[in-house]
Amino acid sequence: NAGVMQNPRHLVRRRGQEARLRCSPMKGHSHVYWYRQLPEEGLKFMVYLQKENIIDESGMPKERFSAEFPKEGPSILRIQQVVRGDSAAYFCASSLRQGRDTGELFFGEGSRLTVL
Amino acid sequence: ELKVEQNPLFLSMQEGKNYTIYCNYSTTSDRLYWYRQDPGKSLESLFVLLSNGAVKQEGRLMASLDTKARLSTLHITAAVHDLSATYFCAGIYGGATNKLIFGTGTLLAVQP
Repeated sequence: NAGVMQNPRHLVRRRGQEARLRCSPMKGHSHVYWYRQLPEEGLKFMVYLQKENIIDESGMPKERFSAEFPKEGPSILRIQQVVRGDSAAYFCASSLRQGRDTGELFFGEGSRLTVL
Repeated sequence: ELKVEQNPLFLSMQEGKNYTIYCNYSTTSDRLYWYRQDPGKSLESLFVLLSNGAVKQEGRLMASLDTKARLSTLHITAAVHDLSATYFCAGIYGGATNKLIFGTGTLLAVQP
């Protein structure tokens, strides 16, 4: 059973370009979370999605950032017109959330974005 | 909103010694999680603590939860170099969304 798959693992963009980060949850998981980790900091919640729905986007910056989780395919975190401050590791996590599920999140390996 | 604080932020210890990492949180959190992160890697789930008084042990690590004190601890017994990593605790905020709020992390360096 494959874990949470993220790609690309490393992405370099110049200021003003767009970054697209993809996340495929664990098999059977329908809940996806995106977190951002700045160097030497903890993880900050960005957005929580279920299939075709954004449930909680309270951690998303108001501009340039968007996320989706379509009926088919991976979840996408999109950053438009990137700036140097967007350089970070972006982690995706998925959970089962059924019955007596503990709510535990399983994390992917992360996508490390560097903005030049 | 839930705030999670860990201390210490950095811990250097010698192999064979014992130590405890503390995790305080500001409001009610039904569950408490501990994760380990190696440099450049993802987060590995260590423990899920579901109720007051819960204690879980895995190898040299033991985690406990006191919901009344809003405190969780991660105790390291007879540390070995392989335990060197960053350890995060996280609480649940907003039951419907199951959103994890992470502490700042504790960087543990075990010296041989």
